[in-house]
Amino acid sequence: NAGVTQTPKFQVLKTGQSMTLQCAQDMNHNSMYWYRQDPGMGLRLIYYSASEGTTDKGEVPNGYNVSRLNKREFSLRLESAAPSQTSVYFCASSEQGNSGNTIYFGEGSWLTVV
Amino acid sequence: TQLLEQSPQFLSIQEGENLTVYCNSSSVFSSLQWYRQEPGEGPVLLVTVVTGGEVKKLKRLTFQFGDARKDSSLHITAAQPGDTGLYLCARYSGGGADGLTFGKGTHLIIQP
Repeated sequence: NAGVTQTPKFQVLKTGQSMTLQCAQDMNHNSMYWYRQDPGMGLRLIYYSASEGTTDKGEVPNGYNVSRLNKREFSLRLESAAPSQTSVYFCASSEQGNSGNTIYFGEGSWLTVV
Repeated sequence: TQLLEQSPQFLSIQEGENLTVYCNSSSVFSSLQWYRQEPGEGPVLLVTVVTGGEVKKLKRLTFQFGDARKDSSLHITAAQPGDTGLYLCARYSGGGADGLTFGKGTHLIIQP
Protein backbone atom coordinates (compact mmCIF):
# COMPACT_ATOMS: atom_id res chain seq x y z
CA ASN A 1 0.00 0.00 0.00
CA ALA A 2 1.33 3.43 -0.97
CA GLY A 3 -0.49 5.34 1.82
CA VAL A 4 0.47 9.01 1.56
CA THR A 5 2.77 9.93 -1.31
CA GLN A 6 4.35 13.34 -1.63
CA THR A 7 6.61 14.82 -4.28
CA PRO A 8 9.26 16.05 -4.72
CA LYS A 9 11.45 14.51 -2.02
CA PHE A 10 14.09 17.22 -2.26
CA GLN A 11 14.01 20.71 -3.78
CA VAL A 12 16.27 23.75 -3.75
CA LEU A 13 14.68 27.08 -4.64
CA LYS A 14 15.99 30.58 -5.04
CA THR A 15 14.32 33.34 -3.07
CA GLY A 16 11.25 34.55 -4.95
CA GLN A 17 10.73 31.38 -6.95
CA SER A 18 7.46 29.48 -6.77
CA MET A 19 6.78 25.79 -6.46
CA THR A 20 4.05 23.31 -5.64
CA LEU A 21 4.37 20.28 -3.37
CA GLN A 22 2.10 17.48 -4.46
CA CYS A 23 0.40 14.98 -2.15
CA ALA A 24 -1.89 12.03 -2.80
CA GLN A 25 -3.44 9.42 -0.51
CA ASP A 26 -4.99 6.12 -1.49
CA MET A 27 -6.87 5.38 1.76
CA ASN A 28 -10.11 7.21 0.85
CA HIS A 29 -9.56 9.58 3.75
CA ASN A 30 -11.66 12.71 4.19
CA SER A 31 -9.11 14.89 5.97
CA MET A 32 -5.73 15.96 4.64
CA TYR A 33 -3.02 18.17 6.13
CA TRP A 34 0.21 19.96 5.43
CA TYR A 35 2.73 20.30 8.29
CA ARG A 36 6.19 21.78 8.42
CA GLN A 37 8.89 20.54 10.79
CA ASP A 38 11.74 22.76 11.95
CA PRO A 39 14.47 22.10 14.52
CA GLY A 40 13.34 23.19 17.96
CA MET A 41 9.84 24.02 16.73
CA GLY A 42 8.34 20.60 16.21
CA LEU A 43 5.60 19.90 13.72
CA ARG A 44 3.30 22.82 12.94
CA LEU A 45 0.09 22.71 10.92
CA ILE A 46 0.09 24.94 7.83
CA TYR A 47 -3.31 24.15 6.26
CA TYR A 48 -5.83 21.38 6.42
CA SER A 49 -8.77 20.15 4.41
CA ALA A 50 -11.58 18.46 6.31
CA SER A 51 -13.26 17.29 3.14
CA GLU A 52 -13.10 17.64 -0.61
CA GLY A 53 -13.76 21.25 -1.55
CA THR A 54 -12.85 22.79 1.82
CA THR A 55 -9.60 24.17 3.17
CA ASP A 56 -8.74 25.98 6.38
CA LYS A 57 -5.73 27.73 7.86
CA GLY A 58 -3.64 26.05 10.51
CA GLU A 59 -1.08 27.55 12.85
CA VAL A 60 1.39 28.91 10.26
CA PRO A 61 -0.41 29.61 6.94
CA ASN A 62 1.36 32.81 5.85
CA GLY A 63 3.23 32.46 2.56
CA TYR A 64 1.38 29.33 1.49
CA ASN A 65 -1.69 28.38 -0.51
CA VAL A 66 -3.37 25.00 -0.84
CA SER A 67 -5.72 23.23 -3.20
CA ARG A 68 -7.83 20.16 -2.47
CA LEU A 69 -7.98 18.99 -6.06
CA ASN A 70 -10.16 15.97 -5.30
CA LYS A 71 -10.56 13.54 -2.42
CA ARG A 72 -7.13 12.01 -3.10
CA GLU A 73 -4.97 15.04 -3.73
CA PHE A 74 -3.96 18.06 -1.64
CA SER A 75 -1.25 20.39 -2.91
CA LEU A 76 0.78 23.09 -1.16
CA ARG A 77 2.03 26.09 -3.14
CA LEU A 78 4.73 28.58 -2.27
CA GLU A 79 4.12 31.62 -4.47
CA SER A 80 7.31 33.51 -3.62
CA ALA A 81 9.68 31.38 -1.60
CA ALA A 82 11.61 32.91 1.29
CA PRO A 83 14.57 31.51 3.26
CA SER A 84 12.26 31.23 6.30
CA GLN A 85 10.34 28.58 4.38
CA THR A 86 13.35 26.25 4.41
CA SER A 87 11.93 23.25 6.20
CA VAL A 88 10.78 19.66 5.94
CA TYR A 89 7.18 19.47 4.77
CA PHE A 90 4.88 16.58 5.60
CA CYS A 91 1.57 15.77 4.03
CA ALA A 92 -0.81 13.64 6.09
CA SER A 93 -4.32 12.24 5.98
CA SER A 94 -6.93 10.74 8.28
CA GLU A 95 -10.45 9.41 8.02
CA GLN A 96 -11.69 12.28 10.19
CA GLY A 97 -9.58 15.02 11.67
CA ASN A 98 -11.28 15.94 14.89
CA SER A 99 -11.32 12.69 16.81
CA GLY A 100 -8.97 9.95 17.86
CA ASN A 101 -8.38 8.66 14.35
CA THR A 102 -4.89 7.79 13.22
CA ILE A 103 -3.15 10.39 11.07
CA TYR A 104 -0.90 8.89 8.40
CA PHE A 105 2.10 10.86 7.26
CA GLY A 106 4.06 10.90 4.03
CA GLU A 107 7.83 10.58 4.03
CA GLY A 108 8.48 14.31 3.83
CA SER A 109 9.76 16.85 1.33
CA TRP A 110 13.03 18.62 2.11
CA LEU A 111 12.90 22.21 0.83
CA THR A 112 15.82 24.61 0.90
CA VAL A 113 15.36 28.26 -0.12
CA VAL A 114 18.60 30.10 -0.84
CA THR B 1 -2.61 28.02 22.29
CA GLN B 2 -2.79 24.89 24.40
CA LEU B 3 0.81 23.78 24.47
CA LEU B 4 2.20 20.31 24.96
CA GLU B 5 5.46 20.29 26.89
CA GLN B 6 7.67 17.26 26.40
CA SER B 7 10.62 16.34 28.58
CA PRO B 8 13.41 15.64 28.39
CA GLN B 9 14.22 17.21 25.05
CA PHE B 10 17.19 14.89 24.52
CA LEU B 11 18.03 11.55 26.12
CA SER B 12 20.96 9.26 25.40
CA ILE B 13 21.24 5.99 27.31
CA GLN B 14 22.87 2.60 27.04
CA GLU B 15 21.16 -0.45 25.64
CA GLY B 16 19.29 -2.36 28.34
CA GLU B 17 18.45 0.63 30.51
CA ASN B 18 14.94 1.82 31.30
CA LEU B 19 13.62 5.31 30.58
CA THR B 20 10.55 7.48 30.90
CA VAL B 21 9.60 10.52 28.84
CA TYR B 22 6.80 12.91 29.64
CA CYS B 23 4.15 15.00 27.96
CA ASN B 24 2.39 17.68 29.99
CA SER B 25 -0.17 20.42 29.49
CA SER B 26 -2.22 22.82 31.60
CA SER B 27 -5.34 21.80 29.65
CA VAL B 28 -7.45 18.67 29.74
CA PHE B 29 -7.27 16.44 26.65
CA SER B 30 -10.09 14.38 25.24
CA SER B 31 -7.41 12.03 23.95
CA LEU B 32 -3.67 11.96 23.41
CA GLN B 33 -1.53 10.22 20.85
CA TRP B 34 2.13 9.16 20.83
CA TYR B 35 4.07 9.00 17.58
CA ARG B 36 7.60 7.88 16.77
CA GLN B 37 9.60 9.41 13.96
CA GLU B 38 12.76 7.90 12.53
CA PRO B 39 15.29 9.96 10.55
CA GLY B 40 14.12 10.68 7.00
CA GLU B 41 10.59 9.47 7.61
CA GLY B 42 7.24 10.79 8.75
CA PRO B 43 5.82 10.18 12.24
CA VAL B 44 4.08 6.86 12.84
CA LEU B 45 1.33 6.40 15.41
CA LEU B 46 2.23 4.22 18.41
CA VAL B 47 -0.86 4.55 20.58
CA THR B 48 -3.95 6.61 21.43
CA VAL B 49 -5.02 7.03 25.05
CA VAL B 50 -8.48 8.26 25.87
CA THR B 51 -9.49 7.48 29.47
CA GLY B 52 -7.92 9.12 32.52
CA GLY B 53 -5.63 6.64 34.26
CA GLU B 54 -5.47 4.42 31.18
CA VAL B 55 -2.37 2.27 30.70
CA LYS B 56 -1.52 0.70 27.35
CA LYS B 57 1.38 -1.59 26.57
CA LEU B 58 3.09 -2.13 23.25
CA LYS B 59 5.78 -4.78 23.78
CA ARG B 60 8.43 -3.00 25.90
CA LEU B 61 6.65 0.36 25.72
CA THR B 62 4.13 1.37 28.40
CA PHE B 63 1.95 4.44 27.90
CA GLN B 64 0.03 6.06 30.72
CA PHE B 65 -2.61 8.79 30.60
CA GLY B 66 -2.85 10.87 33.77
CA ASP B 67 -5.96 10.63 35.92
CA ALA B 68 -6.80 14.27 35.20
CA ARG B 69 -6.08 13.82 31.46
CA LYS B 70 -3.52 16.63 31.48
CA ASP B 71 -0.37 14.54 31.20
CA SER B 72 1.00 11.34 29.77
CA SER B 73 4.15 9.28 30.03
CA LEU B 74 5.97 6.74 27.90
CA HIS B 75 8.16 4.18 29.68
CA ILE B 76 10.54 1.94 27.75
CA THR B 77 11.91 -1.15 29.45
CA ALA B 78 15.27 -2.60 28.44
CA ALA B 79 15.82 -0.08 25.65
CA GLN B 80 17.29 -1.31 22.38
CA PRO B 81 19.08 0.57 19.57
CA GLY B 82 15.97 0.10 17.43
CA ASP B 83 14.08 2.35 19.87
CA THR B 84 16.19 5.32 18.74
CA GLY B 85 14.07 8.09 17.31
CA LEU B 86 12.00 11.19 17.99
CA TYR B 87 9.01 10.56 20.24
CA LEU B 88 6.15 12.99 19.82
CA CYS B 89 2.97 13.44 21.79
CA ALA B 90 0.00 15.06 20.09
CA ARG B 91 -3.55 16.08 20.78
CA TYR B 92 -6.37 17.10 18.50
CA SER B 93 -6.57 20.84 18.18
CA GLY B 94 -10.23 21.02 19.10
CA GLY B 95 -12.44 24.06 18.80
CA GLY B 96 -13.84 22.79 15.54
CA ALA B 97 -10.44 22.74 13.88
CA ASP B 98 -8.97 19.65 12.36
CA GLY B 99 -5.54 18.27 12.85
CA LEU B 100 -3.09 17.50 15.60
CA THR B 101 -1.06 19.85 17.79
CA PHE B 102 2.31 18.30 18.54
CA GLY B 103 4.79 18.68 21.34
CA LYS B 104 8.36 19.39 20.29
CA GLY B 105 9.38 15.83 20.99
CA THR B 106 12.03 13.86 22.85
CA HIS B 107 15.08 12.85 20.84
CA LEU B 108 16.05 9.40 22.13
CA ILE B 109 19.34 7.69 21.35
CA ILE B 110 20.01 4.16 22.54
CA GLN B 111 23.69 3.34 22.37
CA PRO B 112 24.76 -0.29 21.84
